[in-house]
Parts: sequence; C-alpha cells; structure tokens
Amino acid sequence: KQEVTQIPAALSVPEGENLVLNCSFTDSAIYNLQWFRQDPGKGLTSLLLIQSSQREQTSGRLNASLDKSSGRSTLYIAASQPGDSATYLCAVNLSSNTGKLIFGQGTTLQVKP
Amino acid sequence: EAGVAQSPRYKIIEKRQSVAFWCNPISGHATLYWYQQILGQGPKLLIQFQNNGVVDDSQLPKDRFSAERLKGVDSTLKIQPAKLEDSAVYLCASSSGSLSTDTQYFGPGTRLTVL
Repeated sequence: KQEVTQIPAALSVPEGENLVLNCSFTDSAIYNLQWFRQDPGKGLTSLLLIQSSQREQTSGRLNASLDKSSGRSTLYIAASQPGDSATYLCAVNLSSNTGKLIFGQGTTLQVKP
Repeated sequence: EAGVAQSPRYKIIEKRQSVAFWCNPISGHATLYWYQQILGQGPKLLIQFQNNGVVDDSQLPKDRFSAERLKGVDSTLKIQPAKLEDSAVYLCASSSGSLSTDTQYFGPGTRLTVL
C-alpha cells in the first residue's frame, strides 16, 4: 500500500530565506508526483507536476525534484515571501489513466515579515 | 472562467442525522472527484466520476455515503447517518479528462462538523 509522508509538519522561516520541503513515498512505482498549495478556507492549487521519467520541474521561485528510486521528492522555495505562507501538499499518482491521487499530510509554512 | 463551486461552505449536524453536499464543476469538465480531508491529514479520494459514470469508489464507505452525478454535470455527496468521525472538509475537484496529467481544479470545500 502506497503511503506518502511529509516532514516537517510545520515550518516557520523569516522572509527572504530559501527553504526545502520534503516528501517521501513507500512504493517507487509511481506515474507522477504533484505539489499543491492549500490556503486556509480554500481549495488546493496545483503548483508543479513531475513525471516519473523526469528529475525536476521549475516554476518561478519553485523547484521540485524527484528521486523515484529512493522514494523522495523535495520542493525548493527561493527567496521566501509572506505570501508563500500556506500548507504545501505532495501527492503521487500510480497510473497514467486515472487521476486518483494519494496525498501526504502536508507541511504548513509560515513566512514571517 | 468560473471555478469549482461548492455549497454549503459550512454545516453542523448531530450524529445520526443526514447531510448532503453539492458541487458544480468547471463547465465542460468530464471528470469530477470528491475528497475527504480530515484535520491535519491530506485529502483522501472518495469517488471519481467520468461524465455520469463511476470510475473509482473503492474508498467510499458505501454503508453510509452515496454520491451521484446526474447528467454528467453537478454532483451531490450524501452521508446518512453521519458519525462523529465524518467531521472533515469535503473537497470537490474537476478536470477536463481522467488522465493523471490532467490538472485537477479544486473547490473551496464544505466543512462538516458532526456533534
């Protein structure tokens, strides 16, 4: 059974700091991995999607890496801003022809001005 | 483009009562998902529809939960009777297709409290 774990559960950093969020999964037979952002009282927003054949994806100040063999992914946020404060969730997809996602429990990030 | 709409946003009921949630996906999206997110956990897929057919309901507690998507557009999720452990946020998402690479767009969720 696939399990997804995110460490730490919460993180507080000063503005401007670079930071890394971690995600691990127990079964390396994934099709892709996604990172989402969740703001309080709002739904999830997809940030980055990495296919199993890829090593990383970048969008602006965000960079996500994937090491399928070791069951790990990281989300790197450069020059953090207070607006980055949110909960970040990673999710894996086990098949190409289904949208079923298995989520980690999330890391709640607070960026202090 | 309008996003995924859900109602109500909040609901408080007593255990053993019934409750229903409504979701209106993005126009033209064939695939609709219902997720349950318990406080401090990530969302868990309850059911996936492709048009008005069920693709995956393996994690739906069918003794108390039911869902339908009439005419392949709006969907309702019902709980009857509710238990304390059903307290959670219920998220609806939609995507244009059912492939893993099709972006899922999430609604704001319905927060259910069962007393």
